Amino acid sequence: SQQGEEDPQALSIQEGENATMNCSYKTSINNLQWYRQNSGRGLVHLILIRSNEREKHSGRLRVTLDTSKKSSSLLITASRAADTASYFCATGERGSTLGRLYFGRGTQLTVWP
Amino acid sequence: GAVVSQHPSWVICKSGTSVKIECRSLDFQATTMFWYRQFPKQSLMLMATSNEGSKATYEQGVEKDKFLINHASLTLSTLTVTSAHPEDSSFYICSARDRGQGLEQFFGPGTRLTVL
Repeated sequence: SQQGEEDPQALSIQEGENATMNCSYKTSINNLQWYRQNSGRGLVHLILIRSNEREKHSGRLRVTLDTSKKSSSLLITASRAADTASYFCATGERGSTLGRLYFGRGTQLTVWP
Repeated sequence: GAVVSQHPSWVICKSGTSVKIECRSLDFQATTMFWYRQFPKQSLMLMATSNEGSKATYEQGVEKDKFLINHASLTLSTLTVTSAHPEDSSFYICSARDRGQGLEQFFGPGTRLTVL
């Protein structure tokens, strides 16, 4: 399967704490993207990191990518109750012009006030 | 900007009937659209990729005669679930991408299909 695997499957923290989610994948990628999904809703794009990048920041989000280990991590700093959602990593296949994405299983993050 | 809509947001149908789901890009030209299905508490499974004006590319294991995809214009793609059965009940999500604007996909809000 081209799908990635997120770890942990579920994460429960207090507001103000940092949340770290990991993603591993199997294929060669062109890019890796993180998305967020609130229950029963569509997905919202958070951040994209290309295969030649190692780290990227966006607000309270920090993403790292290690292509040698085929893994990525998403760090949310100073979490808020509103960050409660499912977080998915998605990999874009190398060599494809279609831009297909293959999603991991997701991490359910719960932030308690 | 970059808004994608889906219609309907939910649908209940009888076994054996066909259901059409629309996906529209509201403020950009979607050169490529994607259809996913998602089971409860699970990941999104890519079903097919469609480029405007050409036949859809289906992922392995997805029945093209069961899930008909039409991408007739740069703002509209439709997914028709033919002869639906209870096992087709799922959350169907579309996304759209403007090939000239980067790799990000913009997702619709999803359609909840329940087949009785």
